[in-house]
Amino acid sequence: LAKTTQPISMDSYEGQEVNITCSHNNIATNDYITWYQQFPSQGPRFIIQGYKTKVTNEVASLFIPADRKSSTLSLPRVSLSDTAVYYCLVGDTNDMRFGAGTRLTVKP
Amino acid sequence: DTAVSQTPKYLVTQMGNDKSIKCEQNLGHDTMYWYKQDSKKFLKIMFSYNNKELIINETVPNRFSPKSPDKAHLNLHINSLELGDSAVYFCASSPGTSRSTDTQYFGPGTRLTVL
Repeated sequence: LAKTTQPISMDSYEGQEVNITCSHNNIATNDYITWYQQFPSQGPRFIIQGYKTKVTNEVASLFIPADRKSSTLSLPRVSLSDTAVYYCLVGDTNDMRFGAGTRLTVKP
Repeated sequence: DTAVSQTPKYLVTQMGNDKSIKCEQNLGHDTMYWYKQDSKKFLKIMFSYNNKELIINETVPNRFSPKSPDKAHLNLHINSLELGDSAVYFCASSPGTSRSTDTQYFGPGTRLTVL
């Protein structure tokens, strides 16, 4: 069963690029990697998903090395409103587990 | 229009009581879920329903019973509430059964406090 490990917290400043890495050493062949964002008192919200290499959308990029044992969520030029908990999610149809999450604090 | 809604938003009750949390999605999705988020912010899946049928039932006490009257609704009934049940419960939905590729849409959560 895939298990994820993320840093508990990270601090950044407005305008900087933030990279959050998630380790998933036991990722299975069919597993996708998904990242969610959660603000206080709200449900998680989908950010990005990938299987391998690089995926980019309007809010983030996801880098996945060839061995897929880790992934890095990249947030370009963060703002104060990006302060949230970011979850790395790895799994297949029958088992999907959220990691403990990384609390990102963006400072002015 | 709210995509995934839950009621109530807050629920405070005494130990031993029975309570229900309701969830509705207007996205036309086939799959709905219940998650529990504890004080340490760990988000754990409890149940998953696809077209009104249970497809995932994680190791949760029998006191928790999901009910899906139709594919747009997934309610959670909890019997004999205990202190350890205090948490935020999130409902979610997704288009299909592949949790690894389907985007899940979460409700706003229900904060349950058992006294």
